Amino acid sequence: AQSVTQPDIHITVSEGASLELRCNYSYGATPYLFWYVQSPGQGLQLLLKYFSGDTLVQGIKGFEAEFKRSQSSFNLRKPSVHWSDAAEYFCAVSTGTASKLTFGTGTRLQVTL
Amino acid sequence: ETGVTQSPTHLIKTRGQQVTLRCSSQSGHNTVSWYQQALGQGPQFIFQYYREEENGRGNFPPRFSGLQFPNYSSELNVNALELDDSALYLCASSTRQGAVSGYTFGSGTRLTVV
Repeated sequence: AQSVTQPDIHITVSEGASLELRCNYSYGATPYLFWYVQSPGQGLQLLLKYFSGDTLVQGIKGFEAEFKRSQSSFNLRKPSVHWSDAAEYFCAVSTGTASKLTFGTGTRLQVTL
Repeated sequence: ETGVTQSPTHLIKTRGQQVTLRCSSQSGHNTVSWYQQALGQGPQFIFQYYREEENGRGNFPPRFSGLQFPNYSSELNVNALELDDSALYLCASSTRQGAVSGYTFGSGTRLTVV
């Protein structure tokens, strides 16, 4: 069965600093990979997704992620964080186009001014 | 294009009671998935409905059941509530190929069992 690990429970960065959130997955083949963001009391909003092709994918709000097959990783990055980026971030995998999403435990991002 | 609406937004139930949560489906979507998100955890897949039939189930007991209606809206029913059922319940609508077309999540129902 597939699994997702987000090693960082909580990260604090200063506004304007760069950000990298880590995600590692376990699956025998290349899964479909996603990053979602959740603000307090809200549902999940898709930031970006990877299926195949170019391993660097661009998403909304200035986020990007890089798929590294050799490391089974799909890390999320942003060059300059804004205070409004403070939220919970979830990495997720799916093993097929119609399959369920398996989420990691999330990383809470705090942004200091 | 309408989004996904979940109702109610919050509710409190007593252990042993039954609860029904509701979820609309975004226009053009025919699949609804339900997830349970305990405090401090990622969402866990409960089950998925496609064209009114259950189409995949996670590791949840039979007291978690669901329905999908002809308009593709859905209900999640939980019987014999336990304290551990306290969580945020999220639904997501999609086309059959959700991973490709995208999942639209509702804002969730916060269930507290006392």
